[in-house]
Amino acid sequence: AQRVTQPEKLLSVFKGAPVELKCNYSYSGSPELFWYVQYSRQRLQLLLRHISRESIKGFTADLNKGETSFHLKKPFAQEEDSAMYYCALSGGTSYGKLTFGQGTILTVHP
Amino acid sequence: DAGVIQSPRHEVTEMGQEVTLRCKPISGHDYLFWYRQTMMRGLELLIYFNNNVPIDDSGMPEDRFSAKMPNASFSTLKIQPSEPRDSAVYFCASSFRRTGGHGYTFGSGTRLTVV
Repeated sequence: AQRVTQPEKLLSVFKGAPVELKCNYSYSGSPELFWYVQYSRQRLQLLLRHISRESIKGFTADLNKGETSFHLKKPFAQEEDSAMYYCALSGGTSYGKLTFGQGTILTVHP
Repeated sequence: DAGVIQSPRHEVTEMGQEVTLRCKPISGHDYLFWYRQTMMRGLELLIYFNNNVPIDDSGMPEDRFSAKMPNASFSTLKIQPSEPRDSAVYFCASSFRRTGGHGYTFGSGTRLTVV
């Protein structure tokens, strides 16, 4: 079975501070990991994928297979980063289907 | 392409009534997913289709929920009878082949309130 855990339901930081949103997964094979973001009352949109190893809006995420983690990081948070963030996993026979974590609400204070 | 289109955007209904949510996926996408979002449980996959065929409906809460995809451009999620605990935001998403999260496009969601 595949599972995604985001241990923090709420995360608050001040503008300019570093931020890290935690994501741990449980999966026996080689998963694909993603971060999705949902700004206030908007649709979910893809933020980044581990395969592309890219940086989007200053965010990066590294897949650590040893720790089964895919934490999302940004060195200097901005107020516009305030949103709901979901970590998601795809893999195996259910390829094409995404399993999401519970989500973390990030609030960046001025 | 206008993206994934869901209707209605908001639905308020009384307990016991039938509710039908609609989704138009992106043209050419062959996977369609229905998710439910609540504060308590986050995003839950209810059911998904591949080439209009239901593949996994294990997330459908109970028999009151049903989903259909009569053709490649339309899907419905029906709740009959509706209950207050069904209140949530229901998202539809579509993707192409086996691109998984790379190709996921979500609709704007339907906010359902059952009173």
